[in-house]
Amino acid sequence: DQQVKQNSPSLSVQEGRISILNCDYTNSMFDYFLWYKKYPAEGPTFLISISSIKDKNEDGRFTVFLNKSAKHLSLHIVPSQPGDSAVYFCAARGTDKLIFGTGTRLQVFP
Amino acid sequence: KAGVTQTPRYLIKTRGQQVTLSCSPISGHRSVSWYQQTPGQGLQFLFEYFSETQRNKGNFPGRFSGRQFSNSRSEMNVSTLELGDSALYLCASSLQGAGMNTEAFFGQGTRLTVV
Repeated sequence: DQQVKQNSPSLSVQEGRISILNCDYTNSMFDYFLWYKKYPAEGPTFLISISSIKDKNEDGRFTVFLNKSAKHLSLHIVPSQPGDSAVYFCAARGTDKLIFGTGTRLQVFP
Repeated sequence: KAGVTQTPRYLIKTRGQQVTLSCSPISGHRSVSWYQQTPGQGLQFLFEYFSETQRNKGNFPGRFSGRQFSNSRSEMNVSTLELGDSALYLCASSLQGAGMNTEAFFGQGTRLTVV
């Protein structure tokens, strides 16, 4: 039972445009959400997070939006850069553990 | 400060064998979590250790086990290896545990191939 879902396995975006990565969850008890970025042959690195008491959090080019009623969060990257090409995982905090989605591979082309 | 160190980076084993993977967390971090990453499955939680005690466990068979030492270093053992155990195994360290609103830092992972 996948409690955190990323339904788009891949996304291709032109450099300079906006990248929107989506994530859905099923458990309304999740109270904290995170995005991680992963390059090949490296471990995931923390990108940005949001508490369930907020609906938006911004950090430079990265913004995460949370829609609790829809149990949906999204990561916006503006403007997208070639260095953003990686696999992005969303994660939700459950009881004493992080539950990850299956990841979305983002490719930013010139 | 040094990051999370996982050894070995790559491993090839035969079906039926057992394997031990090692993870050294960031100095001062007491929580170590293990994850399995396979294509299409994302990061599946294996278990978490905190102060030498297993605090949480995912839905993996008993062939997967782990332990944590007094210096917070952790090992994960998989016995009777199956082809489906081929994956990237990641460990993450954090101060209090990923469930405690503290950031988790990942190692580079160990790529296990079972032939």
